[in-house]
Amino acid sequence: NAGVTQTPKFQVLKTGQSMTLQCAQDMNHNSMYWYRQDPGMGLRLIYYSASEGTTDKGEVPNGYNVSRLNKREFSLRLESAAPSQTSVYFCASSVVGTQNEQYFGPGTRLTVT
Amino acid sequence: AQTVTQSQPEMSVQEAETVTLSCTYDTSESNYYLFWYKQPPSRQMILVIRQEAYKQQNATENRFSVNFQKAAKSFSLKISDSQLGDTAMYFCAFMKYFGNEKLTFGTGTRLTIIP
Repeated sequence: NAGVTQTPKFQVLKTGQSMTLQCAQDMNHNSMYWYRQDPGMGLRLIYYSASEGTTDKGEVPNGYNVSRLNKREFSLRLESAAPSQTSVYFCASSVVGTQNEQYFGPGTRLTVT
Repeated sequence: AQTVTQSQPEMSVQEAETVTLSCTYDTSESNYYLFWYKQPPSRQMILVIRQEAYKQQNATENRFSVNFQKAAKSFSLKISDSQLGDTAMYFCAFMKYFGNEKLTFGTGTRLTIIP
């Protein structure tokens, strides 16, 4: 099992450009999450999806959109990137009810200039 | 809303010594989970230990143990016989029982093990 995979690992964008971060899991998990990690602020939840076809906002959703394409895949889109979105982005997944452990992907380092 | 506070931004300890990382949280929930995650320089988030709030017994995982004080809303992590591979950022995190498994993280403690 690959677990949770994310692409790309690194990305540099110019202000105003758009891009989609991809996330996939092969553990048959129901729930998937997108977090961002900024220095000195820990990880903050952007969006989550409790099941295929459902998505909900987290703590910091502004400037982002998500798509739960199927049970395996959960993408994060930046429509018009801003320097404030420079961060490390983590995708995670979990199975409801199994001690609630979230499994994290390796992260994507995004820089917006 | 829940908040998680880690008041020690950085700590260092000699190899083989014991170190304790502090975490406090604020919530009105009575049922919840608490976690410690480790993030080494590779950036990968790794679950170290979890505690269910309804359990009075403190969780242990090999060299890692917690001191869970529910009334004080305190959840510290003790690392015994510290090893160089323990060098990492450590994050405390909170999850409600029925909150769609959303994690609320603290700001982290950077732990350095000195050879």
